[in-house]
Amino acid sequence: NAGVTQTPKFQVLKTGQSMTLQCAQDMNHNSMYWYRQDPGMGLRLIYYSASEGTTDKGEVPNGYNVSRLNKREFSLRLESAAPSQTSVYFCASSGGTSGRNAYNEQFFGPGTRLTVL
Amino acid sequence: AQSVTQLGSHVSVSEGALVLLRCNYSSSVPPYLFWYVQYPNQGLQLLLKYTSAATLVKGINGFEAEFKKSETSFHLTKPSAHMSDAAEYFCAVSENNAGNMLTFGGGTRLMVKP
Repeated sequence: NAGVTQTPKFQVLKTGQSMTLQCAQDMNHNSMYWYRQDPGMGLRLIYYSASEGTTDKGEVPNGYNVSRLNKREFSLRLESAAPSQTSVYFCASSGGTSGRNAYNEQFFGPGTRLTVL
Repeated sequence: AQSVTQLGSHVSVSEGALVLLRCNYSSSVPPYLFWYVQYPNQGLQLLLKYTSAATLVKGINGFEAEFKKSETSFHLTKPSAHMSDAAEYFCAVSENNAGNMLTFGGGTRLMVKP
């Protein structure tokens, strides 16, 4: 199993350009997440999808849109990139089983390093 | 709202010395607590998690953490540091048993000196 895969690994954009970050998981997980990682701030949740067909905003959703294409794939789109969106983006997934002692850890992809000039 | 504070953005220890990485949390309900490790240019991987089964939690690579409700802490320890432990460590909290909303601390970069 590949786990969580992300493409591209690196990307440089000019201000105002758009792009889509792709994420796929092969673990049959229900839930998927997009985070951004900035120095000294840990990871902050942008959007998540608790199950196929649903998406919800996280802590920092402004400037982003998401699509849960199917159970495997969850994409993140920047419609008009800004320098403030320079960051490392991580996708994650989890099984989403309910019940306090059945918590499922989140599995992370390798990240996409995005620079906006 | 939940939050996580990791004291010390950088910690340096000698090989063989005790590793202690501090994490304090705030939560309005009994929390789920996690430690993740990130090696250079990689994603995060789970070291250990607390889900109320036991207050002392053992994880991979010899790490363990103790949940102390009275101190709202979940510090990560390892008796003897190894060079391969050099990485960034993140503490995280969730109030949701499906783990949808993880809140991360700012991270602590551990450096191990020979």
